[in-house]
Amino acid sequence: GQQVMQIPQYQHVQEGEDFTTYCNSSTTLSNIQWYKQRPGGHPVFLIQLVKSGEVKKQKRLTFQFGEAKKNSSLHITATQTTDVGTYFCAGRRTGANNLFFGTGTRLTVIP
Amino acid sequence: GAGVSQTPSNKVTEKGKYVELRCDPISGHTALYWYRQSLGQGPEFLIYFQGTGAADDSGLPNDRFFAVRPEGSVSTLKIQRTERGDSAVYLCASSLSSGLDEQFFGPGTRLTVL
Repeated sequence: GQQVMQIPQYQHVQEGEDFTTYCNSSTTLSNIQWYKQRPGGHPVFLIQLVKSGEVKKQKRLTFQFGEAKKNSSLHITATQTTDVGTYFCAGRRTGANNLFFGTGTRLTVIP
Repeated sequence: GAGVSQTPSNKVTEKGKYVELRCDPISGHTALYWYRQSLGQGPEFLIYFQGTGAADDSGLPNDRFFAVRPEGSVSTLKIQRTERGDSAVYLCASSLSSGLDEQFFGPGTRLTVL
């Protein structure tokens, strides 16, 4: 079956440091979405990537979709305490409607 | 506007009992999803509705799980003969029309099977 893995599982950074999480799928994806889940909360949509090699930016967040559409990354520049939470990638196979969520990367920012 | 709502927020039941979990999606959203999330894991897809019909139920773990959406709005996830392994947070999400749209998640129902 399809698997979407993320690394690292956990990341502790000092406030102001950068952070990157990587997402890898065992199969080619039609698109990938990223979600953020705060402790005790529910996933909140961040962005969707559709095109091979696509790069999108949201303020301090940069999202990339790999050329082969099997991997993706999220990079946060100069982390802030408000960035704390678990970041999930979620991929969709071509022709499918359901999302396969990754294992998540839990980010802790030390003030 | 109102987001996705789920009731109850918490449900404690005994092994073998039947439970129903309710999801009220954002008005006008035709796509509705159910997920299950265990501690420290990502949401696990269960079932997807497009309107009233279950377009994809491949994620339901076994025949004890069933979901309905009779009028294309509110959905109910039904679990028969609950087992301790069913304990998790059950999340509902809705999107405007299709799987290409962003999904809006509800707060979830935490199910504990004793």
